Amino acid sequence: DTGVSQDPRHKITKRGQNVTFRCDPISEHNRLYWYRQTLGQGPEFLTYFQNEAQLEKSRLLSDRFSAERPKGSFSTLEIQRTEQGDSAMYLCASSPEEGAAFFGQGTRLTVV
Amino acid sequence: AQSVAQPEDQVNVAEGNPLTVKCTYSVSGNPYLFWYVQYPNRGLQFLLKYITGDNLVKGSYGFEAEFNKSQTSFHLKKPSALVSDSALYFCAVRRNAGNMLTFGGGTRLMVKP
Repeated sequence: DTGVSQDPRHKITKRGQNVTFRCDPISEHNRLYWYRQTLGQGPEFLTYFQNEAQLEKSRLLSDRFSAERPKGSFSTLEIQRTEQGDSAMYLCASSPEEGAAFFGQGTRLTVV
Repeated sequence: AQSVAQPEDQVNVAEGNPLTVKCTYSVSGNPYLFWYVQYPNRGLQFLLKYITGDNLVKGSYGFEAEFNKSQTSFHLKKPSALVSDSALYFCAVRRNAGNMLTFGGGTRLMVKP
């Protein structure tokens, strides 16, 4: 499978715990995006990498959220001290310089 | 700032009839425009894009979209709807020199047999 891969697909965590999600983009894509989507809503932009550089972060991304893309390959999104409001689908996408973004299946986070 | 509006929460159409899902956008500079489809509990699937060239672009599964610069619109169309087209459709825009892809709120398409 040469698409965008996200792991895990589902995560249930207790409030206050830390969680980390992984995204493996399409190998030749230099751009990588993280989005958050709640039920019935459009995806909301969180952050963007070009190669290993994090070039843009949304104001939605609080200090509890951090993302990395070491060596410009896979990326991780960590949420510290999770809150119930963090419950959502977290989507990763990758794209070449000028083309469309291709999305992974997402990681559904439930904070209980 | 850039934004996308999808004015219809839901579009209902009978199988075999043409369908249109509306999208208008606001962006500085030249827009890159995209349509995605989402099935339940799945990620977004790319349908088609407009970057430059012909205003009518064709995409996957028989869908097409028309870029109208004067009306800042990028409506999604299909000549003959299928029941299997029933899903959530999202329009998105990016500035040609920008990084962030901004999505509309989505339109649920219901195709009835």
